[in-house]
Amino acid sequence: DTAVSQTPKYLVTQMGNDKSIKCEQNLGHDTMYWYKQDSKKFLKIMFSYNNKELIINETVPNRFSPKSPDKAHLNLHINSLELGDSAVYFCASSQEPGLAGGPIGSYEQYFGPGTRLTVT
Amino acid sequence: AQSVTQLGSHVSVSEGALVLLRCNYSSSVPPYLFWYVQYPNQGLQLLLKYTTGATLVKGINGFEAEFKKSETSFHLTKPSAHMSDAAEYFCAVISNTGNQFYFGTGTSLTVIP
Repeated sequence: DTAVSQTPKYLVTQMGNDKSIKCEQNLGHDTMYWYKQDSKKFLKIMFSYNNKELIINETVPNRFSPKSPDKAHLNLHINSLELGDSAVYFCASSQEPGLAGGPIGSYEQYFGPGTRLTVT
Repeated sequence: AQSVTQLGSHVSVSEGALVLLRCNYSSSVPPYLFWYVQYPNQGLQLLLKYTTGATLVKGINGFEAEFKKSETSFHLTKPSAHMSDAAEYFCAVISNTGNQFYFGTGTSLTVIP
């Protein structure tokens, strides 16, 4: 009954390969995110989707492509992996209050356990 | 634009001592502020949040934080540190649109027996 799950937990691959990380949330949230945490623990948002639509796309190389088949899933595909892509990738979700506003507490994010990607 | 600054990337306290982790925010509108904790090899977990109302917010595991508008601060405290509190702590502020968090750079808390 994990709220936000990610697979795989660990991913070791060679430079130039293409890999995907999957994320699923069973909280009924409308918004999902991908974050990258580097070796210094700095968290940087990469993408955000709301009801399967891209709403945030930070400065991220085109090699990273998110895909949201439905609002419960947000997958991250990475092409031509580079050494600098090594990091922990976190998926998160939150409930949007909607245009009419709503409980402000719904803004908090729920994080997955992370995927540690190592590129060799 | 919103941002948060966490003072001190590493904090060490003795077991039983007061924990104080500092966070200052920058926001052009009333902020919504959060503290998250990350235990080793785990994802982030919400400790507490300030939205509106009472400025002293109590969270899980005995932590609390006080929103001080005059000081633009939201420092996290716990009266007595426990070994299990050793973790990375992140302060965060939410954007006006509510769909983007700005995280601080994190503070690593070490608890010395």
